[in-house]
Amino acid sequence: NAGVTQTPKFQVLKTGQSMTLQCAQDMNHEYMSWYRQDPGMGLRLIHYSVGAGITDQGEVPNGYNVSRSTTEDFPLRLLSAAPSQTSVYFCASRLLTEAFFGQGTRLTVV
Amino acid sequence: GNSVTQMEGPVTLSEEAFLTINCTYTATGYPSLFWYVQYPGEGLQLLLKATKADDKGSNKGFEATYRKETTSFHLEKGSVQVSDSAVYFCAFSPSGNTGKLIFGQGTTLQVKP
Repeated sequence: NAGVTQTPKFQVLKTGQSMTLQCAQDMNHEYMSWYRQDPGMGLRLIHYSVGAGITDQGEVPNGYNVSRSTTEDFPLRLLSAAPSQTSVYFCASRLLTEAFFGQGTRLTVV
Repeated sequence: GNSVTQMEGPVTLSEEAFLTINCTYTATGYPSLFWYVQYPGEGLQLLLKATKADDKGSNKGFEATYRKETTSFHLEKGSVQVSDSAVYFCAFSPSGNTGKLIFGQGTTLQVKP
């Protein structure tokens, strides 16, 4: 019963590097989302998807790309990392109302 | 636009004290309302939910009632325990099939023995 799996758990990047945060769910949920969590800011929505092949921007999409080629996977790409992207990133999948979250990826950009 | 406002923390209580964490929302239509909890070093877990006006969500001694007239969803617990120490997030899902979940900024609760 894996639920939502995020990898890696920790990552340090240099400014300008690119990387992909992975998110996979095994619950056949249509909705998936990426959030970032910063102190005092709650969770802010980066991008979300309502099904395979459909994505849309959230509150803070700049500097991030997503794609949804399958129901199970929803990777988040940082094209050119910046120190402002230092944060904890959470992936979530939803069925109707309840959302299930991954354990998070702590990203530091130096 | 859509938003959630929670009372600022941190909230520090003694064990067995009464807890209230206020939450109000701004949304059109009939959103679904949630409380999520985040224990140290972990992801968020759903604590309780309410999907229509006057519904009461409850779990692990926590309760919250969907008050559409005041656009509120305050979290309460009659007697907190040290193990309740965590960050609590109020959230809502706008009506319609948007796939979005809008969060408040979170309230840190620390319960002392």
